[in-house]
Parts: sequence; C-alpha cells; structure tokens
Amino acid sequence: EVQLVESGELVVQPGGSLRLSCAASGFTFDDYAMHWVRQAPGKGLEWVSLITWDGITTYYADSVKGRFTISRDNSKNSLYLQMNSLRAEDTALYYCAKDSGSGFYYFDYWGQGTLVTVSS
Amino acid sequence: DIQMTQSPSSLSASVGDRVTITCRASQGISNYLAWYQQKPGKVPKLLIYAASTLQSGVPSRFSGSGSGTDFTLTISSLQPEDVATYYCQKYNSAPGLGFGGGTKVEIK
Repeated sequence: EVQLVESGELVVQPGGSLRLSCAASGFTFDDYAMHWVRQAPGKGLEWVSLITWDGITTYYADSVKGRFTISRDNSKNSLYLQMNSLRAEDTALYYCAKDSGSGFYYFDYWGQGTLVTVSS
Repeated sequence: DIQMTQSPSSLSASVGDRVTITCRASQGISNYLAWYQQKPGKVPKLLIYAASTLQSGVPSRFSGSGSGTDFTLTISSLQPEDVATYYCQKYNSAPGLGFGGGTKVEIK
C-alpha cells in the first residue's frame, strides 16, 4: 500500500523558513518523480514543485520560484521542501504527491498534508 | 502560461441526475488532462487521466471526454457519495501543471 506521510503542523513568522518532509513507502521511491501541491484554506489546489526520480531536474510554480527548494533522498525514501522568505499567502495545507510514473506529470497518490501557517 | 477554467463553480443536482462539469484550456493541450475528486475534509483522489481514461477502482458512472481546449467530466447517475469538489489539471508540460478552480457538487 502506497503511503505518503508529511511532517506535522507548522507555524512560522513572515520572512521565516521551514523544511517540510514526506516519508514514502509501499512503492519503489526512486522510480518516480514527486511533487508538492498546496491548498490555501477554503481555496483550490495549486501545484508547487516537481522533482524527477533522480533529483537532477526540478520545476517550480512562479509563486514560489527563488524561495522554495525541492529535494529528495532516495536512500531514505524521503521528499523535502525547503521554504524560505515565507509570506502570509504561503499559508496552506501542503500535500506530498506521487507522480503517475507514466512519463506525464499527474498525481496518483497523495499524502494527508501538513498545515503551514505563516503569521506573526 | 495556459489557464484552466472550470464551469460551473458549483452545482446542485438530485440523486440519479446526469451531471456535467466543463474544463476549458486557454490553449490546446491535446489530451493531457486529469480529473480529481476531493470530498469534504479529504485528500484529492485521481479519477481520470489522459482526458478519458478511468483510474483503476473508479466507478464507471464517471467518464471524461475532450481534446484540445474543451473537456468534460460526466457523472452519469449522481450518488450521495459523489458530493465533492472536482478539479481538472493540465499536464502538457512542466512547470505549468495547473489546476482549474474547482467545481463543487452538492445534492439537491
């Protein structure tokens, strides 16, 4: 059974930094690209970032480019998101999502999400 | 960047009704479109990919169609457990893996 477990609820002040973690199990982690997707309270889904299976290629949404860094450790079956210069508008539930593995970037499994609150 | 527009933003229908949700891309994306269902308080679930291919385990009352710029998600006979918000997502190219704004489906 595929499981994706994100780090717990986090609160940070504007301008601060956070590192999210996602522990994966139930599939061969280093065969798949991985993603972060977020959802602001009461709002829709927003794709945030993608990392290929080997960690070599990364992509970011314009809203986070230059502030967030995605990474992975295949030896630990773990995905990370380093978030710097955080803003109030980054407040959201952050989902770790597994790529379909089809060669096209859509998401077939999602974690339960970790709530990030940016507030003074 | 290609924008995805869903309509309607919400709808209310009776059990057994046929429900259709539309997703429009501002430029052609071939059939690189997925649909997700998010029930209240739950994690999104993949329903359809490649515009019309049903994900394993998804009930056959769900179907998708379209190509290019116009796509539809149809629920042939609405059930109470289908109450959810539905999102389309384009995946024709990274980094623009954008979602539509969502369509909230309720029971009348």
